[in-house]
Amino acid sequence: SQQGEEDPQALSIQEGENATMNCSYKTSINNLQWYRQNSGRGLVHLILIRSNEREKHSGRLRVTLDTSKKSSSLLITASRAADTASYFCASPLGGSYIPTFGRGTSLIVHP
Amino acid sequence: DAGVIQSPRHEVTEMGQEVTLRCKPISGHDYLFWYRQTMMRGLELLIYFNNNVPIDDSGMPEDRFSAKMPNASFSTLKIQPSEPRDSAVYFCASSGTGGNYGYTFGSGTRLTVV
Repeated sequence: SQQGEEDPQALSIQEGENATMNCSYKTSINNLQWYRQNSGRGLVHLILIRSNEREKHSGRLRVTLDTSKKSSSLLITASRAADTASYFCASPLGGSYIPTFGRGTSLIVHP
Repeated sequence: DAGVIQSPRHEVTEMGQEVTLRCKPISGHDYLFWYRQTMMRGLELLIYFNNNVPIDDSGMPEDRFSAKMPNASFSTLKIQPSEPRDSAVYFCASSGTGGNYGYTFGSGTRLTVV
């Protein structure tokens, strides 16, 4: 079963614009992770936010976590064509530490 | 470190044949995971190991699938006999401390069963 669900399924923007992706999950978590997958490649870990954190930054990435709404968002600022990829959230199911992945958001950044 | 290494990158086989996928995790990581990715089902966890011991194989679809980890630096996922519906990309990932710092994925093996 899937824990996280990303929204939207697909997002198309122009270079320089911001991209926001959302993730909703079902059970309580101890952390939530975001990954990027370029076409034909494996997933790359971007950022991990713990349940006691509300916001985290890494370069042009900003992740927020709202445990009351069981949701997280990933913001990519000043997007570049190289950001074109699928983005996944992953969070543990139930009391496990092992994350399950959503279906992902396919982001296309047009140059 | 070279990261998680998977082989082969691509595998095309005929239905009924045995397929073996290989993975070398990052040195020092004590967790190893096998995932399968398809358009229909997304990314599914098949099995994971902790310190070379299988912990949860509830995601393994059928008895045709088996996985081993004979030592800390090597794991295999075997499908015997293979079927067309097994066609997918199979990923291996490893992590330390149960994934509290993220997972490192290999580049995957694209399996096509004809």
